[in-house]
Amino acid sequence: EAQVTQNPRYLITVTGKKLTVTCSQNMNHEYMSWYRQDPGLGLRQIYYSMNVEVTDKGDVPEGYKVSRKEKRNFPLILESPSPNQTSLYFCASSLFQGGTEAFFGQGTRLTVV
Amino acid sequence: SQQGEEDPQALSIQEGENATMNCSYKTSINNLQWYRQNSGRGLVHLILIRSNEREKHSGRLRVTLDTSKKSSSLLITASRAADTASYFCATGPTGTASKLTFGTGTRLQVTL
Repeated sequence: EAQVTQNPRYLITVTGKKLTVTCSQNMNHEYMSWYRQDPGLGLRQIYYSMNVEVTDKGDVPEGYKVSRKEKRNFPLILESPSPNQTSLYFCASSLFQGGTEAFFGQGTRLTVV
Repeated sequence: SQQGEEDPQALSIQEGENATMNCSYKTSINNLQWYRQNSGRGLVHLILIRSNEREKHSGRLRVTLDTSKKSSSLLITASRAADTASYFCATGPTGTASKLTFGTGTRLQVTL
């Protein structure tokens, strides 16, 4: 089954404790991206990757890092999480860059206290 | 930055009625897509309409696109309780830009 898998689904952490949210897709898609969703603000892109070893900033990249060492994986790293990073995070992939159908993971609800 | 703005923000209808949601956007697009999100879950792609198309159908969904007005509408006919969800439009870029840009969504409630 074609899917994008994120882990964990829920995470509560403390300020400053490094964390990684994993994302994996099994569709051989070139393009992957991370979004955060906040009430009233819709989905905002954090980072994206057009292929292995090619990543770039989206609209709200501050406080986040990503890597793309393999085509299928695109982890999101919060080196020093802060409460304003409490949000619902989604990983998405698509065959090519952003103008094609995007497949979304189930989301990671992160709370930073 | 948000490209699409959905209208209305919230819509409540009864089962069997039609639901219409609108999306307006600001810049030129290659395509426009509609997604559905059930509460707190991932978005699911519904339909894509290209900039040179005016109307597209998929089951109970009908999408129109008016590039001169920079607007699109999503019609769900004969709605069901299972259609209760948030609906987002997303614009696909032209040129070398590389991302979909989402609006803030319309929350649809379908009651029995």
